[in-house]
Amino acid sequence: DQQVKQNSPSLSVQEGRISILNCDYTNSMFDYFLWYKKYPAEGPTFLISISSIKDKNEDGRFTVFLNKSAKHLSLHIVPSQPGDSAVYFCAASAYGTASKLTFGTGTRLQVTL
Amino acid sequence: NAGVTQTPKFQVLKTGQSMTLQCAQDMNHNSMYWYRQDPGMGLRLIYYSASEGTTDKGEVPNGYNVSRLNKREFSLRLESAAPSQTSVYFCAMSRDRGPGTEAFFGQGTRLTVV
Repeated sequence: DQQVKQNSPSLSVQEGRISILNCDYTNSMFDYFLWYKKYPAEGPTFLISISSIKDKNEDGRFTVFLNKSAKHLSLHIVPSQPGDSAVYFCAASAYGTASKLTFGTGTRLQVTL
Repeated sequence: NAGVTQTPKFQVLKTGQSMTLQCAQDMNHNSMYWYRQDPGMGLRLIYYSASEGTTDKGEVPNGYNVSRLNKREFSLRLESAAPSQTSVYFCAMSRDRGPGTEAFFGQGTRLTVV
């Protein structure tokens, strides 16, 4: 039972354009959502997060949107850069679970010149 | 990745052999975790430790044991390795649960069981 789903295994975007990565979840107990970025042969690195009490969080070129009623979140990267090419994981945690994260399967983003 | 050190980085085991994956953190965080990453599966939690001396099962604990002897170190042991345990293993740490509590990951251990 996949509680966090990333239905697009890959995405290709031109440099300078917007990248939109999507994530859906099924567990209503999730109250904190995070995006991680992963390069080959490295561990995931934290990118941005959002609490369920908010619907948007912005950090530089990265913005995460949360739609609780639809159980959907998205990561927007504007403008996309070649260095953004990586696998992006959506993750979620429920309050009181010591930050145990449930991950999606990842989306591979390729930013082309 | 700064703060979390995993050893070894690569390992090949024969079926039935045992080994311990080591993880150490230098950020004095309470919580530590072991995840495995398999193709098409994302990262799945094996075990976690909310504080020194405590451990709890995650989503996929079968075939593994863990030990949190002190705040800094959290080890993962495979008593009798099986081919299904071929995976990339990541150790992570985080502060206690609260706003902005993200996990920091090590660089991973790539394990192959033949």
